[in-house]
Amino acid sequence: SQKIEQNSEALNIQEGKTATLTCNYTNYSPAYLQWYRQDPGRGPVFLLLIRENEKEKRKERLKVTFDTTLKQSLFHITASQPADSATYLCALSQSWGKLQFGAGTQVVVTP
Amino acid sequence: DAGVTQSPTHLIKTRGQQVTLRCSPKSGHDTVSWYQQALGQGPQFIFQYYEEEERQRGNFPDRFSGHQFPNYSSELNVNALLLGDSALYLCASGVGGLADTQYFGPGTRLTVL
Repeated sequence: SQKIEQNSEALNIQEGKTATLTCNYTNYSPAYLQWYRQDPGRGPVFLLLIRENEKEKRKERLKVTFDTTLKQSLFHITASQPADSATYLCALSQSWGKLQFGAGTQVVVTP
Repeated sequence: DAGVTQSPTHLIKTRGQQVTLRCSPKSGHDTVSWYQQALGQGPQFIFQYYEEEERQRGNFPDRFSGHQFPNYSSELNVNALLLGDSALYLCASGVGGLADTQYFGPGTRLTVL
């Protein structure tokens, strides 16, 4: 069966450091992969999308890599800030609009 | 520009009852997807509506049904509620034909007692 795995343990990081989150998948050939941010009690907010033929994408302090051979994506938050504290969700899709999400990794940035 | 809106915000029902949740997509969007998110889990895809038809469906029983109206808004109906249906129900909208970004609403928190 298809599986998407994200670190279940919260990532505690000091302000100014780089947070790195991992998303691994099995039995899946996604056309593209997305990362979302979710705050408690709120809906997910889109951050970045990377396609299967792309290796890396950047947006401001965020960077995503996508390795279809390793079946892995890494999500980096550089110069992290307390406002970056949230749960980050990885989502994959093979077809239009149907996203399959991981369980998410909570990030806590302390001053 | 209004984003995705959902109503109600919270809802409490008892087992066996039926519930209807509503979603208005972001302006300019014509596709609506529904997701169920249990506590501590990622959202699970329920189904997607485009041109007033269900286009894709996830692994959910027939108790979950939906509808899309000509103005692109959508409803999610759940019959014969079970305790396990307690979750945050999320609506996401996008533009038909593009396998890209989905914009999520704030969700409806359903509690089944």
